[in-house]
Amino acid sequence: SQQGEEDPQALSIQEGENATMNCSYKTSINNLQWYRQNSGRGLVHLILIRSNEREKHSGRLRVTLDTSKKSSSLLITASRAADTASYFCATGFQKLVFGTGTRLLVSP
Amino acid sequence: ETGVTQTPRHLVMGMTNKKSLKCEQHLGHNAMYWYKQSAKKPLELMFVYSLEERVENNSVPSRFSPECPNSSHLFLHLHTLQPEDSALYLCASSQEGLSSYNEQFFGPGTRLTVL
Repeated sequence: SQQGEEDPQALSIQEGENATMNCSYKTSINNLQWYRQNSGRGLVHLILIRSNEREKHSGRLRVTLDTSKKSSSLLITASRAADTASYFCATGFQKLVFGTGTRLLVSP
Repeated sequence: ETGVTQTPRHLVMGMTNKKSLKCEQHLGHNAMYWYKQSAKKPLELMFVYSLEERVENNSVPSRFSPECPNSSHLFLHLHTLQPEDSALYLCASSQEGLSSYNEQFFGPGTRLTVL
């Protein structure tokens, strides 16, 4: 299956620092998405990167994709306490497959 | 707000009860999904409806019964559940098409506790 696996499982940083999360998957993809989930809430789509793209930016988010290594990274720059959440990568088209997520804690 | 609403937000039920979860999307999408999220497990896709037809049933026990009466509404009927079915149930919708990339919009979820 195209299961995404995020790394690290948990990350604790101070406000203002950058946070980097990684995702690995197993099979070829058309695109990879990153989602965010605040505790006990629904997921919110952050960014989608297509298989023919290597890097994409959206505000303080930077996503890279390396299809040769079957991996992606999500970088959040100048983190804020409000960025505290779980972050998931997902692959697939109609049937999205999510990883277990990275729990990010940003302390003031 | 993502344009996807779910009710109720919290539900506590006994194993012999029958209840239903409701999801409504206001985005004009043509596909809807049910997911189950348990502690320390990846998000599990349960059902997919595309154009009101079920296209995916991911080996879900028959005590979970989905219904999609139209493209805006999705239900999950629950009966004789087990305590291990306690989880956060998430509904999502998306617009499927040749030019779309299946960004999914999630509701806030229903926190289900089975006693």
